[in-house]
Amino acid sequence: GESVGLHLPTLSVQEGDNSIINCAYSNSASDYFIWYKQESGKGPQFIIDIRSNMDKRQGQRVTVLLNKTVKHLSLQIAATQPGDSAVYFCAENPPGYQLIWGAGTKLIIKP
Amino acid sequence: DAGVIQSPRHEVTEMGQEVTLRCKPISGHNSLFWYRQTMMRGLELLIYFNNNVPIDDSGMPEDRFSAKMPNASFSTLKIQPSEPRDSAVYFCASSLLQGARTEAFFGQGTRLTVV
Repeated sequence: GESVGLHLPTLSVQEGDNSIINCAYSNSASDYFIWYKQESGKGPQFIIDIRSNMDKRQGQRVTVLLNKTVKHLSLQIAATQPGDSAVYFCAENPPGYQLIWGAGTKLIIKP
Repeated sequence: DAGVIQSPRHEVTEMGQEVTLRCKPISGHNSLFWYRQTMMRGLELLIYFNNNVPIDDSGMPEDRFSAKMPNASFSTLKIQPSEPRDSAVYFCASSLLQGARTEAFFGQGTRLTVV
């Protein structure tokens, strides 16, 4: 029979604009969160992490925001470039458990 | 360091055959993870080793799957016998600290096709 795959949310952004990728996590006990980037044909690559005692953490061109009240995580990418095209995964880590991975968001950069 | 090295990059095999996937973690890392990625189920953790000892294998789908880590620099994931539904990309990842609370480095993956 025909198989049904995951329908990845897709975000299309103009080159040079800022991108915001959102993620809702499931476990209120999770106290560590990671964003990974996966380019076509490659394994996931770590971007940035944040612990639950922080609301915001900045890296190079990326910022992660954590809202524990509504269990929401976001990744902001400044001045999006063609090389940012990828699938972005958020992952949460409840204490004592392994990472729980989100389904991913596909980021498309329009020239 | 060359990063996490997986072999082969691609494997096509017939149903019923044994398949062995190999992984060399980053030198000095003490945690190793095997993941499977499919369009249907996304990224799934199969098994996790710490200091060469399997800690959590609850993600291993069934007895046809087995994983070993005979030393700190080598791990295998074996499927015997293989089935078409095992077709997926299998990733190995390693990290320095125990558990998931740190950055994990992924290999390029092995794309397995079982026909």
